[in-house]
Parts: sequence; C-alpha cells; structure tokens
Amino acid sequence: GAGVSQSPRYKVTKRGQDVALRCDPISGHVSLYWYRQALGQGPEFLTYFNYEAQQDKSGLPNDRFSAERPEGSISTLTIQRTEQRDSAMYRCASSLGGFGDEQYFGPGTRLTVT
Amino acid sequence: GIQVEQSPPDLILQEGANSTLRCNFSDSVNNLQWFHQNPWGQLINLFYIPSGTKQNGRLSATTVATERYSLLYISSSQTTDSGVYFCAVNWGSQGNLIFGKGTKLSVKP
Repeated sequence: GAGVSQSPRYKVTKRGQDVALRCDPISGHVSLYWYRQALGQGPEFLTYFNYEAQQDKSGLPNDRFSAERPEGSISTLTIQRTEQRDSAMYRCASSLGGFGDEQYFGPGTRLTVT
Repeated sequence: GIQVEQSPPDLILQEGANSTLRCNFSDSVNNLQWFHQNPWGQLINLFYIPSGTKQNGRLSATTVATERYSLLYISSSQTTDSGVYFCAVNWGSQGNLIFGKGTKLSVKP
C-alpha cells in the first residue's frame, strides 16, 4: 500500500516568509510524528499526534513553529517568519498504534531559507 | 535523557565484505529500530527489534536488551548498501524515537 507522503519535496523560501509543510500518513495510522534532520545528524523530534490530539510538542524549537492534524489524518507543520537556521530536512512518520509501535518515515521536505 | 551511541562513525568496505554496526543505549527501551538512509535521503526501515534476533536476506540484527546494545550485521556487502545506518529507540513514556548519530557506510566496487 501507499507509504507516508510529504509535500512539497523541496521548498526554497526567503527569510521572513511563512511556510507550510504537509504530511499524509499511512492510511489507518493513529500516530503521526514530525522530526527535523540537520545535515550529518540523525532526525530530532519536534512533535507528535494521536488522532487529532497533539500529545507532545516539547521538541518544537520556538513559537514560530506549530503543527496541526485537525481530522486525525493529514498534518501540517507551519513555520512562521522563517530564518536561515530553519533550513533542514523535515521528516514525518506514522505508526499504526501509539507508543512504542514501529514508525514509518516519509521522503521528507528539504527546506532552504535564503 | 537516554543516550544512543553508534559505532563506528564511518566504515569503508570492499564489495563482498561483511560488517557489524553497533548501537549502545543508556537505559531500558520500549523498542529499537534500525534504518538505512540511502544516498537519495530516503529513510528505510530495516528492523523493528526491541529484543532478540531477526534476519532479512543479507542483513540481520540482534538486540540484547538486558545489556543495552544492538548489533546490525551486513554480509556480502554491495555498493547499494552504501549510506547512513541509524539506530533509534523509544524510551520511557515518550512516543517519539531518539536517534543515534549514525554510521556512514561506503562500499567500494
């Protein structure tokens, strides 16, 4: 079946602009996670949802970052007033159940802030 | 918080060679996953292995939870095995995975 999809795959934006990154999880998966990966590093946790409820947003670096999953399926990660330090690969993952289940990752969105 | 350490950080092999990658973690974990990040940036699931041994073709993995480590074995390596191998754990009451820094593998023809 279809895996996790993300769009856009690449995004170049100017400093100060807002961006919205989309994640479409595997059908039927309850939990959805957002991670950010800098070059040469492993992914780092940003936030996660069970159904439409945001369970943990402790990894969001500051209040310019927000996420939602209003109908318990597709999720959007929004970065307001982008800065060059926001440039990274943003990855989304989903799991069938919650806590402890195997997570499957999408292809990521490569964000470049100029 | 939990620490996840992978070794070696870099590994260069000739095609056909075998290798062992190691992941140490500092506390009890709920689950452990191995991933392969290929040169195109895709993060591919290899194993979901909180304990025990699993095999998939030329790859196998063993997690000894009581001693807090996991090993990934790659036999008869191929150039397509090149990339970065990540170990990631789920720990405590958190839902997210915590990743190690990865092992960068280069397989030469």
